[in-house]
Amino acid sequence: EAQVTQNPRYLITVTGKKLTVTCSQNMNHEYMSWYRQDPGLGLRQIYYSMNVEVTDKGDVPEGYKVSRKEKRNFPLILESPSPNQTSLYFCASSLYAGGGDEQFFGPGTRLTVL
Amino acid sequence: QKEVEQDPGPLSVPEGAIVSLNCTYSNSAFQYFMWYRQYSRKGPELLMYTYSSGNKEDGRFTAQVDKSSKYISLFIRDSQPSDSATYLCAMEGNTGTASKLTFGTGTRLQVTL
Repeated sequence: EAQVTQNPRYLITVTGKKLTVTCSQNMNHEYMSWYRQDPGLGLRQIYYSMNVEVTDKGDVPEGYKVSRKEKRNFPLILESPSPNQTSLYFCASSLYAGGGDEQFFGPGTRLTVL
Repeated sequence: QKEVEQDPGPLSVPEGAIVSLNCTYSNSAFQYFMWYRQYSRKGPELLMYTYSSGNKEDGRFTAQVDKSSKYISLFIRDSQPSDSATYLCAMEGNTGTASKLTFGTGTRLQVTL
């Protein structure tokens, strides 16, 4: 089944404790992206990757890191989480960037930072 | 001012009603217009896609784009309880700041029996 998977689905952590949210897609997509979704603010892009070893900042990159060592995986790293990073996170992928290409979203990771 | 504005709702309608969901935008470089549907505790899924101005129909759903007014709409006919979800408009262009997908904040729709 073609899909985007994320782990964990739910995570409660404390300020400053490094964490990684994994994202994997099995559709051989070139473009991958991370979003956070907050009430009243909608989906905002954190980082994106056009292909392996090519990543760039989105609208809200502060406090986050990403890497793209393999085409299928795009982990999101929070080196020192803070309470303002409490949010619902989505990974997405599409065959290519731009051109109205459909983005496929993962199921989401609900993160709470205490 | 946000690039894409969308009324957050919630919008509550009885089963069988016609639903109209709308977004306005400010970036004239947007050329691709999409509606994503997001059920509770799920990721968004593409529902409708339109390139440039015009209408597109798919079953009970019709998407309209009016680039001259920078206004897009999604109509749902004969609404069903299974249509209860949050509807996100999204837009994209080809160049510069418009080349990434920009979402509205979403409208929550509740269809009641």
